[in-house]
Amino acid sequence: DTAVSQTPKYLVTQMGNDKSIKCEQNLGHDTMYWYKQDSKKFLKIMFSYNNKELIINETVPNRFSPKSPDKAHLNLHINSLELGDSAVYFCASTYVTGGWRSGELFFGEGSRLTVL
Amino acid sequence: KNEVEQSPQNLTAQEGEFITINCSYSVGISALHWLQQHPGGGIVSLFMLSSGKKKHGRLIATINIQEKHSSLHITASHPRDSAVYICAVRSGSGGSNYKLTFGKGTLLTVNP
Repeated sequence: DTAVSQTPKYLVTQMGNDKSIKCEQNLGHDTMYWYKQDSKKFLKIMFSYNNKELIINETVPNRFSPKSPDKAHLNLHINSLELGDSAVYFCASTYVTGGWRSGELFFGEGSRLTVL
Repeated sequence: KNEVEQSPQNLTAQEGEFITINCSYSVGISALHWLQQHPGGGIVSLFMLSSGKKKHGRLIATINIQEKHSSLHITASHPRDSAVYICAVRSGSGGSNYKLTFGKGTLLTVNP
């Protein structure tokens, strides 16, 4: 039973298209993230949501719009895709409200986006 | 300069060797994570620590808050340990308003 699941795992599309990546966690966590891993394998935070509210937006272009319909889901929609958007996008979740579970991260398997 | 520096960037070892990967950071942190990523694979959290030392099987992680330094040790290394190991530090004002800053990773290859 997958804890953090992302779909699709692979996405190949043309420049200028709009695409979405979905993420769901079944761990009861209150915080979810999107991270981008570039071709050099460097990870960088994009967004953080806590209880469906946007907490962190790390100067990501407006073409990227996250949406959290509920605590268990955080989707990423990308408009007008550019070549530089090609990367692996990782969703992650954690529990930050406090207590002994606080802070441990669980990652999805990643979604590899290729823009042609 | 990255706020989180890892060394070495690449490490090749023979099966059975003792491995050490280092992480230094320049910001105040509330916790430090060690992550593992196999080639083409997802990311798994190995440790989260804010002080002292933790051990899981053959893996040991230590942190020295005063020196802003952490190490990940692998005893009796095995080819299946071959992966990228990533250090990430957690900073921020607490609660949900924290973020992770990642090191660039250490590619470990363990040969049989």
